[in-house]
Order: sequence, then C-alpha cells, then structure tokens
Amino acid sequence: GAVVSQHPSWVICKSGTSVKIECRSLDFQATTMFWYRQFPKQSLMLMATSNEGSKATYEQGVEKDKFLINHASLTLSTLTVTSAHPEDSSFYICSARDQGGIDEQFFGPGTRLTVL
Amino acid sequence: SQQGEEDPQALSIQEGENATMNCSYKTSINNLQWYRQNSGRGLVHLILIRSNEREKHSGRLRVTLDTSKKSSSLLITASRAADTASYFCATVFNYKLTFGKGTLLTVNP
Repeated sequence: GAVVSQHPSWVICKSGTSVKIECRSLDFQATTMFWYRQFPKQSLMLMATSNEGSKATYEQGVEKDKFLINHASLTLSTLTVTSAHPEDSSFYICSARDQGGIDEQFFGPGTRLTVL
Repeated sequence: SQQGEEDPQALSIQEGENATMNCSYKTSINNLQWYRQNSGRGLVHLILIRSNEREKHSGRLRVTLDTSKKSSSLLITASRAADTASYFCATVFNYKLTFGKGTLLTVNP
C-alpha cells in the first residue's frame, strides 16, 4: 500500500525558534498534500492544502506567515512552524493524495511538537 | 470546520461484543471514510463508502450511509482488545476531508 513518512517523529524546541516538518510520499506521486493539527484528545483540524508547484491554500484562522508550507516536488511537502510558541505544541499530521486520483488519502505517522 | 459528529464520544465493551459508532454530518459529500487512531499515532484508513452506496463490508467492519439523514454508522463485530482505539469519521467533498470528533472505543479483555 501507499506509504507516507514524516520527519521528525517528535521534536522539542525553545520558544521563538522555527521547526521544519517533512512529509514524503514514498511510493507514489502526490500532487496534493494536506496538513492537519491535532490537540490532545481532540480531532484533526485541517490547516492547509499543499499543491505541488503552487501556493498552499490555508483554512480560515490559520496564519500563513506562521505556518509556512512548501511543496517543491511530487513527493515532498514541508511545514515550517515559525517563531514557535508553547500554544503551537501539538500533533501535526500530513496526508497525501495519490496522483492517480483515487479518493483515499494516505496519512503520515505524525510529528509531536513540544515548544518549551 | 468540523462537521462530523460521532456518538458516542466513548464506548466501553467486552471482548467478543459488537461495537457501533455513529456519525452525523451537515453538508454535501462525495464519500465518507472511517479511520482508526491508536493513542499518539497516525491514522489508519478503515473503509470508504461513496455517496451512492448504502452499505459496505470489510472483514469485521460494516459501514452504512444514509444520505437523506446525513448519517453513517460503523459496526465492528466480534471485537477484540486490539480494536481499542479512537475512531473518526471523515466526510470528503472535493478531495477535502473534514473529521468528526471521534469515538474512543475501549475493548476489555
């Protein structure tokens, strides 16, 4: 089956620093990737849709200058949390849609971000 | 924005029993999907049901969809302790997933 990886799986950083999270589709090409955030014991909230070669589309209430998304290739999207603060601590999950156009999205294992 | 609402929020059953979780939604959909998430882990796709389908089976899973009531149910038969996890429904429209709040299922040995 299709595999999506995320790196790192967890990261601890100091307040004010920036953190980059990578999302890779390992065995398929993904023109579209999605970034979600999940707070403890809550559901996933879509943050943005990442399109290869174009600007990401952000959901209402998500600051595009704070959460920088780059989708430079058909297999890699990155999310950079800039000037991180403790309230940015969360579980960040990406998903990728197979370019073949099937309905299913394949999810990465998630990245646990803790900002001190 | 969240549109899926699962109930119950939490369900505790004995091994061997069946578990039923429900999901309601508000807007149009292309399809509806169910996912499973173990604590602190990523999501595992369980089953997809299209808007023109009413019922679908996969192993011990049975999903129904009633578009007139904008609701879906997930039935897990003969539950096992390993089924303990959170279960989320997600509605799909134009490739965009919107997740419900989830049901925490605990299967006691």
